[in-house]
Amino acid sequence: AQSVTQPDIHITVSEGASLELRCNYSYGATPYLFWYVQSPGQGLQLLLKYFSGDTLVQGIKGFEAEFKRSQSSFNLRKPSVHWSDAAEYFCAVGKVGGNKLVFGAGTILRVKS
Amino acid sequence: DVKVTQSSRYLVKRTGEKVFLECVQDMDHENMFWYRQDPGLGLRLIYFSYDVKMKEKGDIPEGYSVSREKKERFSLILESASTNQTSMYLCASSGGDGYNQPQHFGDGTRLSIL
Repeated sequence: AQSVTQPDIHITVSEGASLELRCNYSYGATPYLFWYVQSPGQGLQLLLKYFSGDTLVQGIKGFEAEFKRSQSSFNLRKPSVHWSDAAEYFCAVGKVGGNKLVFGAGTILRVKS
Repeated sequence: DVKVTQSSRYLVKRTGEKVFLECVQDMDHENMFWYRQDPGLGLRLIYFSYDVKMKEKGDIPEGYSVSREKKERFSLILESASTNQTSMYLCASSGGDGYNQPQHFGDGTRLSIL
């Protein structure tokens, strides 16, 4: 069965600094990959998705993610973090033939000024 | 934009009560999901439905049941609420085959069982 690992439970970065959130998945074939963000007290909002093609995917709010098949990774990046980016971030994977997504445990991002 | 609406943002119930959480989506999506979210555990799938009257157990179905009588509505039922069911509950919907479409989430229901 596929699984998703987000190794970092918490990350703290300074406002204006760059950000990278890690996501590793376990699945034999090319998966469908998603990143979501959850602001406090809210539901999850889709940031970006990868299905095929260009391995660098652009999303909303200035985020991007890079799919690396050799490392089974789909890391989320942002060149300059804003205080409003403080939230919890979830990576998810979908398997061809399945009908649901599997979510990682999430990474909580704190932004210090 | 897809709109997923959960009937309550906050709910307080007593142990042993039968609790209904309602979710409605407005995009004619085939798939609907109920998750439970607890700190450090991420999202855990309780049940999902891929069609009207169809349902499948997720990872933690014990103590829960669901109902999908109409395509737009998916209800989560706690048959006899217990304190360990105090949690944030998230509903989501998606179109297509489920694995290749993003899920759209409601704002969640924070349920407290006293």
